[in-house]
Amino acid sequence: AQKVTQTQTSISVVEKTTVTMDCVYETRDSSYFLFWYKQTASGEIVFLIRQDSYKKENATVGHYSLNFQKPKSSIGLIITATQIEDSAVYFCAMREGYNNNAPRFGAGTKLSVKP
Amino acid sequence: GPKVLQIPSHQIIDMGQMVTLNCDPVSNHLYFYWYKQILGQQMEFLVNFYNGKVMEKSKLFKDQFSVERPDGSYFTLKIQPTALEDSAVYFCASSFGGSSYEQYFGPGTRLTVL
Repeated sequence: AQKVTQTQTSISVVEKTTVTMDCVYETRDSSYFLFWYKQTASGEIVFLIRQDSYKKENATVGHYSLNFQKPKSSIGLIITATQIEDSAVYFCAMREGYNNNAPRFGAGTKLSVKP
Repeated sequence: GPKVLQIPSHQIIDMGQMVTLNCDPVSNHLYFYWYKQILGQQMEFLVNFYNGKVMEKSKLFKDQFSVERPDGSYFTLKIQPTALEDSAVYFCASSFGGSSYEQYFGPGTRLTVL
C-alpha cells in the first residue's frame, strides 16, 4: 500500500533564504509519480511540481526544485529565495503508476516566511 | 488556469440529515476525486471516480457516502445520514488522466454537522 510521510510539522525561515521540506514514501510499484502541492491560508490548493520515478534529473519549476533520492524513497522540496507569500502548508503526494489509484498525501509541512 | 468549482462553500446541517456536495470539475477532465480535511490537517482520500464508476475508495468512504456524475453535470458527494464526525472540509479534485497527471482542486466545502 502506498504511504507518504512528512515529519516536519512546521518550519520558519527568514525571507530570501532557501528552505528544504522533507518527504518519504512507500510503494511496491517500480513506476510512480511524486507531487508537491501548496495550500494557502485561504484554503486554496495549488499544484507546484512533479517528479516521475523513472527520471533521474531533479524537476525544477521557477524557484521550486526537487531533491529526488530514489534509493532512500525521498523527495524533498527546495524553495530558493523564499518570499513572504510562500508562507503556506506544503503537501507531498504520491501516485502509483500501474493503476489509476488516487494520489495519497502526506500530513503537510507549514512554512512560515518572516521578514 | 483551469478551475474546479464547489457549491456550496459552507453547509450547516443537523446530524442525521442528508447533504449533497457539488463539484464542477475542469471541463475536459476525466478523473474525479473527493478528499476530506479536518482542521487544515492531512488530506484524506475518500474516492476516485472515472467513466461513471467508482475506481477506488478508502475506509473513510462509509456506506452512507455515495458519488455520481449524472450526464456530465456536477460530480456530487452525498452523505445520508450525516454524523458528527463528518464535519470537515471536503475538497473535490479533477485530473485529465491518471498516473502522471496533476490534480486541480476546488476551494472546498466546509461541512458542519450539529
